[in-house]
Amino acid sequence: DTEVTQTPKHLVMGMTNKKSLKCEQHMGHRAMYWYKQKAKKPPELMFVYSYEKLSINESVPSRFSPECPNSSLLNLHLHALQPEDSALYLCASSPRLTSGGISGDTQYFGPGTRLTVL
Amino acid sequence: GNSVTQMEGPVTLSEEAFLTINCTYTATGYPSLFWYVQYPGEGLQLLLKATKADDKGSNKGFEATYRKETTSFHLEKGSVQVSDSAVYFCALIPGQTSGSRLTFGEGTQLTVNP
Repeated sequence: DTEVTQTPKHLVMGMTNKKSLKCEQHMGHRAMYWYKQKAKKPPELMFVYSYEKLSINESVPSRFSPECPNSSLLNLHLHALQPEDSALYLCASSPRLTSGGISGDTQYFGPGTRLTVL
Repeated sequence: GNSVTQMEGPVTLSEEAFLTINCTYTATGYPSLFWYVQYPGEGLQLLLKATKADDKGSNKGFEATYRKETTSFHLEKGSVQVSDSAVYFCALIPGQTSGSRLTFGEGTQLTVNP
């Protein structure tokens, strides 16, 4: 089973709201990722967690706050977002962070959360 | 740096036509190569992958061969269906750096008409 689940599927929020996106996997993967995807573009990496610790932050604004409470769960807390933050937010997981050439690198994506900021 | 260049779309084909989507890459070492597919309104699904030169990845009738001499990983399917209409992303993970950082191409929109 290579399933990554994300909730909610759709989210509409005002610029003063606080909301959270949730991602879950039960494949025993120890690396988890958040991506942002704008229409007709490839995903852009935001954050990477390895063994529940933040490994990469791609200079993402502080209005996005990731959290990895355990090895199966990844959250993205949203506060004071801007309309330009409207996008599809994708979660992914992989067995671990390693160098390339082995299956540990393969990332499996969830269905995404479609976020609209009004 | 690492980069992936994909054939520009959109690509429009009739059902049962032959599909080729070109993908070339620039990377240090021996990257792992991937094709992901994104159906309308959905997330990315791994379609196939190859981790070393001359490997052929295949799934659902799609194939791609890792060609190190031409730094290419072209996606092919012998007979497309309407249900193959989607955006296809070629991607790589570098071979000599840790972090599993995926580098994507810009994506190719495929539309298959009945």
